[in-house]
Amino acid sequence: DVKVTQSSRYLVKRTGEKVFLECVQDMDHENMFWYRQDPGLGLRLIYFSYDVKMKEKGDIPEGYSVSREKKERFSLILESASTNQTSMYLCASSPLPDTGELFFGEGSRLTVL
Amino acid sequence: AQSVTQLGSHVSVSEGALVLLRCNYSSSVPPYLFWYVQYPNQGLQLLLKYTSAATLVKGINGFEAEFKKSETSFHLTKPSAHMSDAAEYFCAVKWRGASKIIFGSGTRLSIRP
Repeated sequence: DVKVTQSSRYLVKRTGEKVFLECVQDMDHENMFWYRQDPGLGLRLIYFSYDVKMKEKGDIPEGYSVSREKKERFSLILESASTNQTSMYLCASSPLPDTGELFFGEGSRLTVL
Repeated sequence: AQSVTQLGSHVSVSEGALVLLRCNYSSSVPPYLFWYVQYPNQGLQLLLKYTSAATLVKGINGFEAEFKKSETSFHLTKPSAHMSDAAEYFCAVKWRGASKIIFGSGTRLSIRP
């Protein structure tokens, strides 16, 4: 089975802190994604990557950056956390050919105080 | 703009009753269609997917969905609800040639004893 592992299930950070959310997948998938999930808004795409060292902005990239130095790892970075970034963050991966089917991690719930 | 609409942010049914969760999408161009389920404090997992084969798609846990091109709909059903079906359900669409999958805002399903 595909496994997508997010390093932290729950984090509490202070405003202005730098936050790293790590995601690792073990099925050699080319595509990786970071979503943010908020009640009533569904899932919104922050960034995605189709290859190592490659990244593309999603629908809400402001305030975030990403890093993909290795195929299996995709990191989400909040340079200076703010309270409006309190949310559930979901990492996902998918193989090629791209049919849209996503494999999700269990999520990282971030609270910014 | 392409969009996915889930009617009803919250649906409540009695145990043993029919479950019907509605999903409509904005374009008549045949897409890839998905239903994902999210149990509390977990990531999303694939329930079923339509990829242009049979229009009635069977998924896990007794769920099925029917693709109706004329109605641009992909409603999710289950004949008899079980307490373990309580979760949030997301409809998602990927149009062929598009780089992103679009999620609906989700429907929370509650099951009454």
